[in-house]
Amino acid sequence: DAGVIQSPRHEVTEMGQEVTLRCKPISGHNSLFWYRQTMMRGLELLIYFNNNVPIDDSGMPEDRFSAKMPNASFSTLKIQPSEPRDSAVYFCASSLDLIQGMASYEQYFGPGTRLTVT
Amino acid sequence: TQLLEQSPQFLSIQEGENLTVYCNSSSVFSSLQWYRQEPGEGPVLLVTVVTGGEVKKLKRLTFQFGDARKDSSLHITAAQTGDTGLYLCAGDLANKLVFGAGTILRVKS
Repeated sequence: DAGVIQSPRHEVTEMGQEVTLRCKPISGHNSLFWYRQTMMRGLELLIYFNNNVPIDDSGMPEDRFSAKMPNASFSTLKIQPSEPRDSAVYFCASSLDLIQGMASYEQYFGPGTRLTVT
Repeated sequence: TQLLEQSPQFLSIQEGENLTVYCNSSSVFSSLQWYRQEPGEGPVLLVTVVTGGEVKKLKRLTFQFGDARKDSSLHITAAQTGDTGLYLCAGDLANKLVFGAGTILRVKS
């Protein structure tokens, strides 16, 4: 079985450009999470979806960040415009939540996208 | 400040030594998970503990959940170079996972 797939693995862009990160969750999983990891702040939850519906986006830093999940097998995280402080590793994770809205169940992480904004 | 404090932040030991990593909070968690992350990869779940006082063993790794469900520890016996990595604890708080900053473990041969 394929795990969580993320693309691209590395992204280098200039300040002000739009960045789109992509994620394919594990087939059959009904929850999807976007995290950001930095040395300073560790691993932070940005947003999570359950059955393709955004449940909690309180971790999204600001309006420059947006996320979509048009179907059960695909999600995007977009940053527009990007800033140097957005440089981080962005992880997507998925899980099979037996109870709706229970986002704390065992999560499977993708390999991450390392974003560098210059 | 982190809701979950992990200590030590960094640990460098010789192969064969024992070690303990701690995860502490003032909050009560419904459950707690431990993950291991290698460079360039995502975290991989090691264990979930649910009951206060629970102890789980995974080969040379022993995980304990505090009686009050506010803290946890990970003990590794006879560390191997393959144990090198970032160890993260994550607590279930209001049905969301909150992660600690992690402990970087380096096991030298």
